[in-house]
Amino acid sequence: GENVEQHPSTLSVQEGDSAVIKCTYSDSASNYFPWYKQELGKRPQLIIDIRSNVGEKKDQRIAVTLNKTAKHFSLHITETQPEDSAVYFCAATDDYKLSFGAGTTVTVRA
Amino acid sequence: DAMVIQNPRYQVTQFGKPVTLSCSQTLNHNVMYWYQQKSSQAPKLLFHYYDKDFNNEADTPDNFQSRRPNTSFCFLDIRSPGLGDAAMYLCATSRDLASGGEQFFGPGTRLTVL
Repeated sequence: GENVEQHPSTLSVQEGDSAVIKCTYSDSASNYFPWYKQELGKRPQLIIDIRSNVGEKKDQRIAVTLNKTAKHFSLHITETQPEDSAVYFCAATDDYKLSFGAGTTVTVRA
Repeated sequence: DAMVIQNPRYQVTQFGKPVTLSCSQTLNHNVMYWYQQKSSQAPKLLFHYYDKDFNNEADTPDNFQSRRPNTSFCFLDIRSPGLGDAAMYLCATSRDLASGGEQFFGPGTRLTVL
């Protein structure tokens, strides 16, 4: 089965700085890579996703890059704001099951 | 405007006393999932329905069962809750298989086992 590793487990950044979270996956058949944000006590919400036929995708302050050869993908958040503080999960799949990374707790310091 | 609704939001049960959690959706999605999420961990898939077809994960304990009487509703039954079953239970839906796009999560039911 798919195995997704996510780093770092915690990330503290100064407001306005950038944050980068990296994930690696094991199954070369995986073709869909979503990122979910989960605030404390709330539901996971999709913030961006990328498919295997695309190398990069951007949505305002958030971008995701995918390197299929190396089997890794990354989330980039620029100009971080306090509301970006949350747990972020990467995931990978080629069918029904999302294989999640262990999560990254991001804290944005004012 | 809620798309995936879970009831109750908080459930307290006693050790060994059966409990049922419910999920409903207004998205008319084909697939419904149940996840268990423990503190500081990623959601763990228990099972999913593709339409009426039930798919159990290999490591889901027999203590957990599910029913989907129609497209809109799905239930999680825990037959004999143990202390280790205390967790957040998340329902999610997707139009098609996960690789086809976004999974929409409900707000979750936090289960406490006394």
